[in-house]
Amino acid sequence: SYELTQPSSVSVSPGQTARITCSGDVLAKKYARWFQQKPGQAPVLVIYKDSERPSGIPERFSGSSSGTTVTLTISGAQLEDEADYYCHSAADTLWVFGGGTRLTVL
Amino acid sequence: EVQLVESGGGLVQPGGSLRLSCAASGFTFSRHDMHWVRQGTGGGLEWVSVIGTSGDPYYSDSVKGRFTISRENARNSLYLQMNTLRVGDTAVYYCVRAGGDVWGQGTTVTVSS
Repeated sequence: SYELTQPSSVSVSPGQTARITCSGDVLAKKYARWFQQKPGQAPVLVIYKDSERPSGIPERFSGSSSGTTVTLTISGAQLEDEADYYCHSAADTLWVFGGGTRLTVL
Repeated sequence: EVQLVESGGGLVQPGGSLRLSCAASGFTFSRHDMHWVRQGTGGGLEWVSVIGTSGDPYYSDSVKGRFTISRENARNSLYLQMNTLRVGDTAVYYCVRAGGDVWGQGTTVTVSS
């Protein structure tokens, strides 16, 4: 089975750059996505194909990939970016999620 | 508006059954693989099942043999038949378009005696 590993928590001050990593062997061969989830809401796609940003997602969100690790970067984090972030990949049609990272902006 | 709306969640005893539905609108449902993803009390997202445009299903090991995914393209609907439910199946269940760009609001399943 495939596994994706993320830190459980990351903290930054407003305006600083937040970086959340995700590692797993599948990432060397398959694209990653990143989802943002705020309390009581469904997840929202913020990055796909490692570094592509869907329309409507602020430019401060970016993604990168190197080998078996992908990174979500939030440049100039805002208070409204405080949320849980999940990395994701797909092995053929089967999906796998990371355990999630709680981003605190304070 | 592109939308997915789940229904059918509720409280069920261990060993019981439940059928979830997901109504799609605003896009050509038949052209997309569709997934079920759940989020238990522990908080993380867990992939459950996928059905392809041709109806071919795949399941996570945790639900294989107990859950059945299906779709009815004429009704723009996705289903999840859940049998032999366990306490560990307690979660919010989301239907998701394959691109990951469209999620329903979720329906809550509680398995408890």
